[in-house]
Order: sequence, then C-alpha cells, then structure tokens
Amino acid sequence: GAGVSQSPSNKVTEKGKDVELRCDPISGHTALYWYRQSLGQGLEFLIYFQGNSAPDKSGLPSDRFSAERTGGSVSTLTIQRTQQEDSAVYLCASSTTGVMETQYFGPGTRLLVL
Amino acid sequence: AQTVTQSQPEMSVQEAETVTLSCTYDTSESDYYLFWYKQPPSRQMILVIRQEAYKQQNATENRFSVNFQKAAKSFSLKISDSQLGDAAMYFCAYRKGAQKLVFGQGTRLTINP
Repeated sequence: GAGVSQSPSNKVTEKGKDVELRCDPISGHTALYWYRQSLGQGLEFLIYFQGNSAPDKSGLPSDRFSAERTGGSVSTLTIQRTQQEDSAVYLCASSTTGVMETQYFGPGTRLLVL
Repeated sequence: AQTVTQSQPEMSVQEAETVTLSCTYDTSESDYYLFWYKQPPSRQMILVIRQEAYKQQNATENRFSVNFQKAAKSFSLKISDSQLGDAAMYFCAYRKGAQKLVFGQGTRLTINP
C-alpha cells in the first residue's frame, strides 16, 4: 500500500510569510507525528495526534507553530510569520495504535526561509 | 528527560567488512523501545531494527544486529558484510510507549568500495 506522503517536497518562502505543510498518513493509521530536522537541533519532536485525543503539543517551539488533523487522517502543520531559523526538513510519521507499533516516515518537506 | 547520544559523527568501512555504530541513552524507565533508523540522501527515514527493553535477546534483521546492554544503557548496531547501499545517516532512537521518538544526533556511515 501507499506510504506516508508529504507535500510540498520543497518550499521556499520569504521571512514573515505563512506556510502550510501537508501530511497524508498511511490509511488506517490512527497516530500521526510531526518532527523537525535541522542542522543545529538535530531531529526534534513537534506534535503528536492519537485518534480523537487531545494532541500532545509539547514540542512546538513557539506559538507561531500550529497543527491540525482533520477527520483523523490528513494533517497540516502551519508556521505563521516564518523566521530564518524555521528553515529545516519537516518530517511526518504515522503508526497504528499500540505501544509496539513502528512509526513510518514520509519523505519530508524541506523549508527554506529567505 | 530521556536523552540519546551517538558519539560517532562519522564512520567509514570497507565494503564487505563489519562496522559497529554506538548509541547510549539515559532513562529512568524500565519498559521502553529502542530503534535504529537509516536516512539515505532521499531523506526518508527507514526502520532498520528495533529492540524491546524487556527482551534480553538481541534483535537481528539479516545483516543487522544489535548489542543491547540494558544496565549500561547501551544499544549498538552492527552491520555485517557492508554494502554500498548501506551508506546513509543512522539514527538511534528511544521511545516510551506509543509516544514520541527521541533521536540521537546521528552517525554518517560511508562505505568504501
């Protein structure tokens, strides 16, 4: 079956603009995660959705970052008023429910803020 | 907070040889999961192998095996018969339950033909 997909693959934006990054998880996966990979910070957790539960937003770096998951499937990560330090690869992962389940990653969106 | 440390930023190995990548972690939990992920230039993170902390037996997947030392909080990855396609960034990761992954800084592995 299809894996996790993300769009766009690459995004270049100007400082101060808003951007939206999209993640389509594997069908049937109830858990969805966003991570950020940057040169200075490595791989860091941003937010986690599990079914209808309230999301774990503990990793969001500032209130400029937000995410939603509609219908328990597609998720959008929004960054408002982008800054140059937001430049990174944003990775999405999904998994089925259960502590044993593996997180499967998408190819990521590379964001460059000029 | 849990932390994962990979002390080798870069490693290289001759094709067909064996290489071991190191990983240590810090946690106060007794039940958790450990993973090695591979990230080739395509950016896609690919699961290589995983280990449940309650299992004493080391996980093995074909040419990949781990040396899990729970008391020492060590989780190294051994790649046997290295192939050119093994060249990538390798990340060690920790997870408690169905929660976020905590990653190490990564080790860039180069395979010399």
